Amino acid sequence: SQTIHQWPATLVQPVGSPLSLECTVEGTSNPNLYWYRQAAGRGLQLLFYSVGIGQISSEVPQNLSASRPQDRQFILSSKKLLLSDSGFYLCAWSYGYGRDTEAFFGQGTRLTVV
Amino acid sequence: GDSVTQMEGPVTLSEEAFLTINCTYTATGYPSLFWYVQYPGEGLQLLLKATKADDKGSNKGFEATYRKETTSFHLEKGSVQVSDSAVYFCGGSGYSTLTFGKGTMLLVSP
Repeated sequence: SQTIHQWPATLVQPVGSPLSLECTVEGTSNPNLYWYRQAAGRGLQLLFYSVGIGQISSEVPQNLSASRPQDRQFILSSKKLLLSDSGFYLCAWSYGYGRDTEAFFGQGTRLTVV
Repeated sequence: GDSVTQMEGPVTLSEEAFLTINCTYTATGYPSLFWYVQYPGEGLQLLLKATKADDKGSNKGFEATYRKETTSFHLEKGSVQVSDSAVYFCGGSGYSTLTFGKGTMLLVSP
């Protein structure tokens, strides 16, 4: 069966520090991968998605970047965190392009920038 | 681009009340539609889905029917429980990405 792992679960980082959140998927090949952010009291904002190794699409301009060094690994990074980067970050995967594909989510990372 | 609009919350109900959360989707073509549920501090879990017009998704007493004319996918439950308190997200699968609404918080009191 397929599983998705996201870590860490919680993170407190000072302003200006770097960030690296990692997400891995097991049990499937060539998944679409997604990073979402959920700010307090707000909905899900798609940050990045990837349809293959090295292929990253950014949905919003911001202080963050994403990379996909391996087929089932998706990393969210920042060189210098801002207070506004605080939020709940969710990694997700789906089977690929198509109408019928639902997303499977990790447990999320609660990031607090202080 | 694709967009999902769902009613804003919070929706506050008493136990055993009827629930409706409205959702409409704007996209090129006819996407698959989903409802996800998020319990506090957790990720999203798929609640139900429908892949074509007139499909009805159902799970745990929740239902939603894909209405082609309005691309709507309203979530309903005949009798809510305290344990249904959570945030509900409507979403759609287009040809490239998954798009979600802003979420609706449901609070059910005993």
